[in-house]
Amino acid sequence: AQKITQTQPGMFVQEKEAVTLDCTYDTSDPSYGLFWYKQPSSGEMIFLIYQGSYDQQNATEGRYSLNFQKARKSANLVISASQLGDSAMYFCAMREGQAGTYKYIFGTGTRLKVLA
Amino acid sequence: GAVVSQHPSRVICKSGTSVKIECRSLDFQATTMFWYRQFPKKSLMLMATSNEGSKATYEQGVEKDKFLINHASLTLSTLTVTSAHPEDSSFYICSAGHRGEADTQYFGPGTRLTVL
Repeated sequence: AQKITQTQPGMFVQEKEAVTLDCTYDTSDPSYGLFWYKQPSSGEMIFLIYQGSYDQQNATEGRYSLNFQKARKSANLVISASQLGDSAMYFCAMREGQAGTYKYIFGTGTRLKVLA
Repeated sequence: GAVVSQHPSRVICKSGTSVKIECRSLDFQATTMFWYRQFPKKSLMLMATSNEGSKATYEQGVEKDKFLINHASLTLSTLTVTSAHPEDSSFYICSAGHRGEADTQYFGPGTRLTVL
């Protein structure tokens, strides 16, 4: 069974608009972490935002915010005021396990295209 | 943010030769580094977890004799693809955990390996 599910293989958004990229996860660990990464065409993986399973508030980093709904096991990424440079592949990832034995599991990604 | 470098960024080799890829954490110490493989337009597949001073932990289906990992210091891990074949051609990415930031994984820029 998929542990990280990204149901949107591709998304389009108009420049300056907001967009939500979906991510659902599956784990029985009480302690876990959720991450979003951006991968432009150059290939590098760029860390965007982190949400801990015990964090009470949704994480925010500039134009990025994570809509964390623990009961629904979802961790959607919201990008506000989209820019052309936001066009890239976006991966949701989950960290499971204990310190020293962490495993990171990645979703299949969502390709975002920002339109001028 | 923490910086992870990877060298080389691109390598082309003949079938049967071995290729070494280096992963360095430049401004922090990483007791654990991870090696991933990414096929075109696919997600990251964890190959192995590299622990400083001990043997790497390989994921199921990854040949440890084929993909040799050495984590000689707190800032360097190497992946050697031995007797490379065309099917080993892929994008290889390493990451290192930054303990001070919820064990956020920071990624190297990746190495594109092409085996002729």
